Amino acid sequence: NAGVTQTPKFQVLKTGQSMTLQCAQDMNHEYMSWYRQDPGMGLRLIHYSVGAGITDQGEVPNGYNVSRSTTEDFPLRLLSAAPSQTSVYFCASSSTGQGYNEQFFGPGTRLTVL
Amino acid sequence: AQSVTQPDIHITVSEGASLELRCNYSYGATPYLFWYVQSPGQGLQLLLKYFSGDTLVQGIKGFEAEFKRSQSSFNLRKPSVHWSDAAEYFCAVGAGYSTLTFGKGTMLLVSP
Repeated sequence: NAGVTQTPKFQVLKTGQSMTLQCAQDMNHEYMSWYRQDPGMGLRLIHYSVGAGITDQGEVPNGYNVSRSTTEDFPLRLLSAAPSQTSVYFCASSSTGQGYNEQFFGPGTRLTVL
Repeated sequence: AQSVTQPDIHITVSEGASLELRCNYSYGATPYLFWYVQSPGQGLQLLLKYFSGDTLVQGIKGFEAEFKRSQSSFNLRKPSVHWSDAAEYFCAVGAGYSTLTFGKGTMLLVSP
C-alpha cells in the first residue's frame, strides 16, 4: 500500500495562476480532508469529503475548490492563486465506522505564490 | 466548536532532562485526542492517541500522555529527552467525520 500520496511535492505559482494539488489514497477510505499549515497557526481544515460526490467546507475554505468523483482521489483546486495561499498543504484520509477513526496523512505539498 | 490550546510556543530542554508539553482542549463530548510530531521540512508523525479507557497512554519513541478530564488536558511527557526529539509538536482533538482540530504547536529545542 502506498497510503496517501500527494503531488507535486513543491510548486511555485504567480499570483492569479490556477493549479490543482493532487491527493490519492489506496486504502479504500471514505473520509478525506485537506489541511493547510502556516507558521504559528498549526494545521487548519480547508475542505473535507465523506464519500464520492460529497464535500463540505472546513475552517478556511475561501479560495479553494474541491470535488470527489472517486473514492481514491480528492484534488484541491486553487482557481486564482494569491500570496496568502503560500503554505504547506496536507491531505489525509480515514475509514468510516463507529466513533472516531484515525487519519492518515500524506507527505505534503509546499506551495509558494509570488 | 472544539478548540485546542498549546500554551507554550517554544520550550528548551537540556538533553537528558524530562519534558512535559501542555495541551488543553475544549470539546463538548468525549474527546478523541492526539499528539503529532513534525521534524523540519517533514510530514506529520503520530506519537500517540487517546480514544477511551486507560487515561495514561503510551506512544512511540518513549512518549506518554495523560488524559485529565477534570482539567481538559492531555499533556505529553518524556522522562529523558534526546537531541533527536527536537521538533514541533502538535496536539489535536478529533472532530466530525474524523477531521482534526489542531493546536498551534510547540517547538521543542534540545540543548546539549
